Amino acid sequence: EPEVTQTPSHQVTQMGQEVILRCVPISNHLYFYWYRQILGQKVEFLVSFYNNEISEKSEIFDDQFSVERPDGSNFTLKIRSTKLEDSAMYFCASSPDRGIHQPQHFGDGTRLSIL
Amino acid sequence: GESVGLHLPTLSVQEGDNSIINCAYSNSASDYFIWYKQESGKGPQFIIDIRSNMDKRQGQRVTVLLNKTVKHLSLQIAATQPGDSAVYFCAEIRNTDKLIFGTGTRLQVFP
Repeated sequence: EPEVTQTPSHQVTQMGQEVILRCVPISNHLYFYWYRQILGQKVEFLVSFYNNEISEKSEIFDDQFSVERPDGSNFTLKIRSTKLEDSAMYFCASSPDRGIHQPQHFGDGTRLSIL
Repeated sequence: GESVGLHLPTLSVQEGDNSIINCAYSNSASDYFIWYKQESGKGPQFIIDIRSNMDKRQGQRVTVLLNKTVKHLSLQIAATQPGDSAVYFCAEIRNTDKLIFGTGTRLQVFP
């Protein structure tokens, strides 16, 4: 069964450094998403992406965050200057079409630890 | 305020029994709901979904019930197995792309 893959599984970064989280969505999917889950809390939406542009973003997704689809398969989340509070699990998801009435399929996440 | 939440943080059931996990939502405009299962160290795994124009949907060993009158959603798991142990989240979509997740219920299955 096709799946969303994320790399790395664990990323440790010094505060203030840039980090790039990578995702390979399911191949025929058109919508891509990033969510995060701080330890012990619920999953929170960050951003959705379609047709090479951001479709929607949350308050969390400030100027320090950016997303990109650099080629036909990868979807990346960049945090320019990491803060301690960015420590969380980051999940990538994809869906065949727009989110309404289309289940989003998640990867197993990247654990980001900021020191 | 508007929220998607769960009544019980932990549910313990005996193997072979049926499990019922509940979820309350407060926005009557929500039109699509999904149940996800999250095992330790993994991402949310799609289980079953339901649209707001339905009140019941069945899958393999799982049933989702939607009661729009009281804004309540439930996930029923038949003949619960040890492999069902996980955290279960309900999530909703309200005319946007983003999923809004509840806080989760931990299901523990004991022999």
